[in-house]
Amino acid sequence: SQQGEEDPQALSIQEGENATMNCSYKTSINNLQWYRQNSGRGLVHLILIRSNEREKHSGRLRVTLDTSKKSSSLLITASRAADTASYFCATADRGSTLGRLYFGRGTQLTVWP
Amino acid sequence: GAVVSQHPSRVICKSGTSVKIECRSLDFQATTMFWYRQFPKKSLMLMATSNEGSKATYEQGVEKDKFLINHASLTLSTLTVTSAHPEDSSFYICSAIRAAGGYEKLFFGSGTQLSVL
Repeated sequence: SQQGEEDPQALSIQEGENATMNCSYKTSINNLQWYRQNSGRGLVHLILIRSNEREKHSGRLRVTLDTSKKSSSLLITASRAADTASYFCATADRGSTLGRLYFGRGTQLTVWP
Repeated sequence: GAVVSQHPSRVICKSGTSVKIECRSLDFQATTMFWYRQFPKKSLMLMATSNEGSKATYEQGVEKDKFLINHASLTLSTLTVTSAHPEDSSFYICSAIRAAGGYEKLFFGSGTQLSVL
């Protein structure tokens, strides 16, 4: 069943601004992943953070994880129009295989040039 | 380039017909693949885990006889939507685990948009 909940559902910003998306989940997890999806397309894996990690960086992406609050955030710095997409968090339950993921509803990010 | 290929990308069919969607791992063997469906502007819902050489494991609420999964080889899993109805119209996405050097990574196909008339 669906696990994560993203907040906000939609975010509209100007190029150059930072975009922050939040995700909450319900169960004990092995890891949390963030994915990007362009309209009507497949998913692109952005970053994975393990349950024993608190923060991770990848290029313009910064992910935090707070297991006590069962929440994560994705920060995209210096956003570009090409960052326009839907962003999903996905969790893998503790003890579960890598591919059994439970996705949130996603945040639709629009970056205006 | 893509490491998981999904075909077709789009299919339109008449109500009552069956549709087969293929998911192929390119350049690696995948003993386990996964099938998801996604409604417009909604989340992805895990449907089933496809296991090479054995029966698929379905998530609660997913009809096994409706969504037939076959994983006959290490590089191919198929999802057949049987006797499709308009409510089966959805975006279906597969994924596969690539394991190398003790490290696993998950890759998704590009998805199949199914429209049932």
